[in-house]
Amino acid sequence: AQSVTQLDSHVSVSEGTPVLLRCNYSSSYSPSLFWYVQHPNKGLQLLLKYTSAATLVKGINGFEAEFKKSETSFHLTKPSAHMSDAAEYFCVVSASFGGTSYGKLTFGQGTILTVHP
Amino acid sequence: GEEVAQTPKHLVRGEGQKAKLYCAPIKGHSYVFWYQQVLKNEFKFLISFQNENVFDETGMPKERFSAKCLPNSPCSLEIQATKLEDSAVYFCASSQSIVGARPQHFGDGTRLSIL
Repeated sequence: AQSVTQLDSHVSVSEGTPVLLRCNYSSSYSPSLFWYVQHPNKGLQLLLKYTSAATLVKGINGFEAEFKKSETSFHLTKPSAHMSDAAEYFCVVSASFGGTSYGKLTFGQGTILTVHP
Repeated sequence: GEEVAQTPKHLVRGEGQKAKLYCAPIKGHSYVFWYQQVLKNEFKFLISFQNENVFDETGMPKERFSAKCLPNSPCSLEIQATKLEDSAVYFCASSQSIVGARPQHFGDGTRLSIL
């Protein structure tokens, strides 16, 4: 079974400062990991995905995440926050059992990012 | 289309009434997924389809919930005899494949309010 834990329910930063959103996962097999962002009253937009090709993954809008198997972590970072980054962020793992993917996504609890001017 | 289209955006029903939600996946995507988001941030998987066939229904409540994906029609999620606890945002997502890290593309959701 898979599970995802987002370590912070709220993160507050000033515009122009770095962003760190933390995520730990649990998976019996090599996981497929994603970060999605949800703006108010909108659906989920894919920020980036881990494909096992590289441990450091670059996404849209300057975000990146590093897969660390030894720490079972997939933290999301951005060097400099922008006001438009204020949203809720979800760390997500795709279900697989016995090495077979079933596609079902398991979501973390979400982290609300607030960006102050 | 290039986006997952969900209709309606908002749906209000009295307790005990039927609710039906629709989803048009991205053209060329074989897989459709339904998720329920309650309490603003908790997502629950309901059901997935591979074309018109049910692929995984392990998240579907045994009673009152049903879903279909028929050829040349939007997919649908229907709730019979709605209860207050069904109030949530229902998201549909589609993907080309479930192999590897193929992402799911989400619609904007249908907000269901049961009064």
